[in-house]
Amino acid sequence: DQQVKQNSPSLSVQEGRISILNCDYTNSMFDYFLWYKKYPAEGPTFLISISSIKDKNEDGRFTVFLNKSAKHLSLHIVPSQPGDSAVYFCAASADSNYQLIWGAGTKLIIKP
Amino acid sequence: ETGVTQTPRHLVMGMTNKKSLKCEQHLGHNAMYWYKQSAKKPLELMFVYNFKEQTENNSVPSRFSPECPNSSHLFLHLHTLQPEDSALYLCASSQDRRQSIYADTQYFGPGTRLTVL
Repeated sequence: DQQVKQNSPSLSVQEGRISILNCDYTNSMFDYFLWYKKYPAEGPTFLISISSIKDKNEDGRFTVFLNKSAKHLSLHIVPSQPGDSAVYFCAASADSNYQLIWGAGTKLIIKP
Repeated sequence: ETGVTQTPRHLVMGMTNKKSLKCEQHLGHNAMYWYKQSAKKPLELMFVYNFKEQTENNSVPSRFSPECPNSSHLFLHLHTLQPEDSALYLCASSQDRRQSIYADTQYFGPGTRLTVL
């Protein structure tokens, strides 16, 4: 049973608009969440993270929101650019175990 | 060379072959990881080494054998694999798993695309 779920395998967004990628988790012990981005033929690269003491973290065009009561986090990209087309992975870890638990990824396609 | 490199990038092998995957990191990190990524599935952690010592083995079959001779190099030795082992194998490194309050940021190599016939 997956502890981290990304229910949308793919998402298509118009260039310049907002992209919203969602991630749900089941383990209430998770206290740290990360988003990674992956281009074809490359490994995932770290994008942004958030700890459970916060509900929002912003870095340029990227903002991650955490709703602990709903066990839900989302990544907002504004404005979306063609270079943002990639697979986005959500990952989580619990204080007692630094192992990252990964979602299956969402493929984001930015249309010109 | 910078970052995390993996060789080979592609590997095709028969079920009776023995091969090895190599990972090298040039970031001065002390922790290294092997992951398996199958199509449309989450990344699965296989092994973790911290300061050259294996700290995690996530119930990986013995046909996969890791080796970490030093903090910069990590190998995955493969023998008598099955077709269902075909996947992308990713190596990652991070600074030091014992120092962070939270999970380290991991830096990934490009992966080895393995096909078992």
